Parts: sequence; C-alpha cells; structure tokens
Amino acid sequence: NAGVMQNPRHLVRRRGQEARLRCSPVKGHSHVYWYRQLPEEGLKFMVYLQKENIIDESGMPKERFSAEFPKEGPSILRIQQVVRGDSAAYFCASSRDRVPQPQHFGDGTRLSIL
Amino acid sequence: AQSVTQLDSHVSVSEGTPVLLRCNYSSSYSPSLFWYVQHPNKGLQLLLKYTSAATLVKGINGFEAEFKKSETSFHLTKPSAHMSDAAEYFCVVSLNTGGFKTIFGAGTRLFVKA
Repeated sequence: NAGVMQNPRHLVRRRGQEARLRCSPVKGHSHVYWYRQLPEEGLKFMVYLQKENIIDESGMPKERFSAEFPKEGPSILRIQQVVRGDSAAYFCASSRDRVPQPQHFGDGTRLSIL
Repeated sequence: AQSVTQLDSHVSVSEGTPVLLRCNYSSSYSPSLFWYVQHPNKGLQLLLKYTSAATLVKGINGFEAEFKKSETSFHLTKPSAHMSDAAEYFCVVSLNTGGFKTIFGAGTRLFVKA
C-alpha cells in the first residue's frame, strides 16, 4: 500500500512532555497538509508544507506547535509541553499538486494527554 | 467569507433506501468541491470531486453529487444504501484563489438500519 503513512497510530503523553507525529506522503507527492480533529467535529486545517517550505501555517497555534517537511524523510508535527487540550486525532494528507487537487489521507495519530 | 454547511449532523436510513446528505457552501470564488467518507479510526477517503466540469459527478461505491450554483449546493446521493455505507461524511471546499484554503464541513453521520 503506497498511501499516506502516519505513525504512531496512538500516542500517549503526560502534560509537559513533547509529542512528535510523523507522516510519510504518497510517493511522488510533494505537498503535505496537517489537520486536527476533535471528537464529533470536522477537520481543522493546521499547516501546509511543500518540501522544505512552510506555505501556509494559518491554522497552527502560535506557541508550542511546529511542523517541518525536510528534503529527506517524513514530515513531522511537533507539539512541545503538551496540555490536555491537545488531545485529538491528527491527520496528515498529501497531494501531487497543490489544492484543489484531491488529498490522500493517512489513518491519523490519536494523541492522548494524561 | 467562505464556509461549508452540512445541514444534518445525523441521517438514518434503512438498507436499500435512498441516501441524501446535504451540503451548502458560501464562496466568493469559483470553488472545487469534494465529498470524503471516514470510517471509524480511519482517515478520509475521497468519494468524488467537482472541479467545474460536468455538474453531475459520479463517485465510488454508487455515490453521486450534483453541483447547483444557483442554490450553492452540492448534495450527496445514493439510490440504495448498504450497511457498509454507515460512516461519517464530509463536504469540503477548496478555493482557487492562488493561495491555500480548504474548508471542511462539520460532518454528517450516516446510520444504516437493517
């Protein structure tokens, strides 16, 4: 299966720890998007990256959150000093070209904060 | 301002009966429209897309949607529901503004009764 791969699928952290979420896009896709989904809600856009560049981070909280998509390797969403409110499902999507091309989604990382 | 409204948070149908999931959008620009389906603990899967070609769009698994500009609607239909259709459905708008803007509806949970 050459789809979007996210790991880990489930991540448990204590308040104050760091969370690192990884996303490997579909082979050949250079556009990556991160979304957050709270229970019973739709997806909320966080950040859009294209190899080594952040194109749009208008949905990212100003503090504690960062994202990167290096030339080699997966895209990383990093949350520092996690708080209970960070508990959510985080989805990564990729596309070959920029939107409005359809996005291919991973199965998500469920982050739980104790 | 751009927005997407899914008019029903829950829809319940009997197996073999038609499905109608309603979506209205608001956009100052020419939008591209998508429907995605999400099964429990999974990522989103593209059902169909409208990108200014034919207004009646056919997707996977027997779903189709009609773009009605005068009504700013993009309702999803299926003639006969199957038990496997039970899932969450998201209407999505991507705006062709040159920048990145993808907006998700809040979702409609489809229940299918035997």
